[in-house]
Amino acid sequence: DAGITQSPRHKVTETGTPVTLRCHQTENHRYMYWYRQDPGHGLRLIHYSYGVKDTDKGEVSDGYSVSRSKTEDFLLTLESATSSQTSVYFCAISESVRQSEAFFGQGTRLTVV
Amino acid sequence: GENVEQHPSTLSVQEGDSAVIKCTYSDSASNYFPWYKQELGKRPQLIIDIRSNVGEKKDQRIAVTLNKTAKHFSLHITETQPEDSAVYFCAVHTGGFKTIFGAGTRLFVKA
Repeated sequence: DAGITQSPRHKVTETGTPVTLRCHQTENHRYMYWYRQDPGHGLRLIHYSYGVKDTDKGEVSDGYSVSRSKTEDFLLTLESATSSQTSVYFCAISESVRQSEAFFGQGTRLTVV
Repeated sequence: GENVEQHPSTLSVQEGDSAVIKCTYSDSASNYFPWYKQELGKRPQLIIDIRSNVGEKKDQRIAVTLNKTAKHFSLHITETQPEDSAVYFCAVHTGGFKTIFGAGTRLFVKA
């Protein structure tokens, strides 16, 4: 498996609190992505990064922010968690956006109560 | 932006039969089309992919076909087995930096 690790793996938090999920890679891949997975919606892109400090919005970016201060780490922050953000979050990395597959982390199950 | 539609959402087949899943996309600049399999509680993993300069690719019991003119591509699984039961996702690498996924197809293979 590609060297990609998500932390934490599980988290329960209260509505209105900030939450940060971390994605760490050891593959030196340029592209990194955050997806959320919900029943009936598949994998929806939240934000992505195409280099250090280079990020952009995906399909469902409202309520989320990201940062990438170094190649290996991509952080996803929920500024003020809401119950609608209860989901499974997957980070993915890709060496070349048009030529190669995306490798996924193990996922983080986030519950907002 | 890119829109990827995947059908059907659920597919049930008898062991040994074939299964076909289809995806359509909108961005004509898209040129890489992978398929992922996700078993229950696990991460999605690549099973086969195709690039825009190829019309068909096969790997043992699975194959993918691409029609760039019509903007659709399909996954074909032959001689299905119970271990093929999973959720399958198509994906499209768009003209930008994004990888967009279909909503997924839950495949049940009945023994």
